[in-house]
Amino acid sequence: SQQGEEDPQALSIQEGENATMNCSYKTSINNLQWYRQNSGRGLVHLILIRSNEREKHSGRLRVTLDTSKKSSSLLITASRAADTASYFCATIMNTGFQKLVFGTGTRLLVSP
Amino acid sequence: DTEVTQTPKHLVMGMTNKKSLKCEQHMGHRAMYWYKQKAKKPPELMFVYSYEKLSINESVPSRFSPECPNSSLLNLHLHALQPEDSALYLCASSQGTDNTGELFFGEGSRLTVL
Repeated sequence: SQQGEEDPQALSIQEGENATMNCSYKTSINNLQWYRQNSGRGLVHLILIRSNEREKHSGRLRVTLDTSKKSSSLLITASRAADTASYFCATIMNTGFQKLVFGTGTRLLVSP
Repeated sequence: DTEVTQTPKHLVMGMTNKKSLKCEQHMGHRAMYWYKQKAKKPPELMFVYSYEKLSINESVPSRFSPECPNSSLLNLHLHALQPEDSALYLCASSQGTDNTGELFFGEGSRLTVL
């Protein structure tokens, strides 16, 4: 079963607006990662936040992590049509095993 | 070279066929992965190889048989598949074997089983 549940499942916004996606997970984690997938293609790593970090930035991306609530959010600022994709959070459970488990994903549509 | 290359991009096979999916990386990564992804679903882990040894098998049916001939190559041998096995098969690699870093994904092989 998936480790993470993402919310919303789908998000439709206009170019220039901000997009926020949320991820909740069930067990303690080593780190949490966000990936992007253009339709039917491979996944691209966006950002990794470790369990002892609370916030991280990368360009127009801002990720927060709240381990007490077992949740993370991804904010994309000033969105562009090219940001249209599915976004997945992924967690590595704190078991020491190499097991990256993906959340259910958010489909983002950015209209020009 | 920061690419993971998967071949073929598309594969159509019958239920009695035997075929293979191939994955190659030249980043010196020590861990390689197979994921399966159905439409509008997240990728699901199938196998993990660490230093060319199978370290995780997520209870995948034996009609899927992974192979890691060397540190740069990963194969997935397919035999007697079912139509429900139709999916996008994604290969990935990572530098370390403790999976604390990012995964690099290929573009996937889209498999259709008739």
